[in-house]
Amino acid sequence: AQSVTQLGSHVSVSEGALVLLRCNYSSSVPPYLFWYVQYPNQGLQLLLKYTTGATLVKGINGFEAEFKKSETSFHLTKPSAHMSDAAEYFCAVSRQNTGFQKLVFGTGTRLLVSP
Amino acid sequence: NAGVTQTPKFRILKIGQSMTLQCTQDMNHNYMYWYRQDPGMGLKLIYYSVGAGITDKGEVPNGYNVSRSTTEDFPLRLELAAPSQTSVYFCASTNKAGARETQYFGPGTRLLVL
Repeated sequence: AQSVTQLGSHVSVSEGALVLLRCNYSSSVPPYLFWYVQYPNQGLQLLLKYTTGATLVKGINGFEAEFKKSETSFHLTKPSAHMSDAAEYFCAVSRQNTGFQKLVFGTGTRLLVSP
Repeated sequence: NAGVTQTPKFRILKIGQSMTLQCTQDMNHNYMYWYRQDPGMGLKLIYYSVGAGITDKGEVPNGYNVSRSTTEDFPLRLELAAPSQTSVYFCASTNKAGARETQYFGPGTRLLVL
């Protein structure tokens, strides 16, 4: 069975500070890993994903994440937070399951950015 | 492209009432999904569909029904609303079944059952 753990339901940073959102996964097969972002009153949208190849993945809005197999982690980072980054972030792991994509989501981390 | 659209945005139901949450996508995607999102929890899969006429249960299907008569539409039906169904409901779609595919989400329907 696959699972995702996101450490910290809330993370607060100041504008311009480093953003680090943690995600650890459990998977019996090589994982495909995703970060989705949910802005207030909107649906989820893909930030970035790791499938194969380069373990450092770059996404939209200056975010990136590194797949570390030895640590079973896929932490999300951004060098300098912007007010517009305030949102909820979900890490997810997927597998193909009897003909459809099964996404298992973490419980989410709400990023708060203060001026 | 409008992407994935959902109606209504918000609804209050009384216990025992029924309603249908609408979901439409204009990307010609074969695969569609319904999730619910409870506070402090990740999204849970309710039902999914791999094409018109084909649906199946996800992780938390009890109390819900779906149909898929067209590629575009995937409505979710609540027959007898219960307070436990108070949640935010998201519809999503993908073009392929592969595990590396991106799911495209609608803006959600917030449902309150009193």
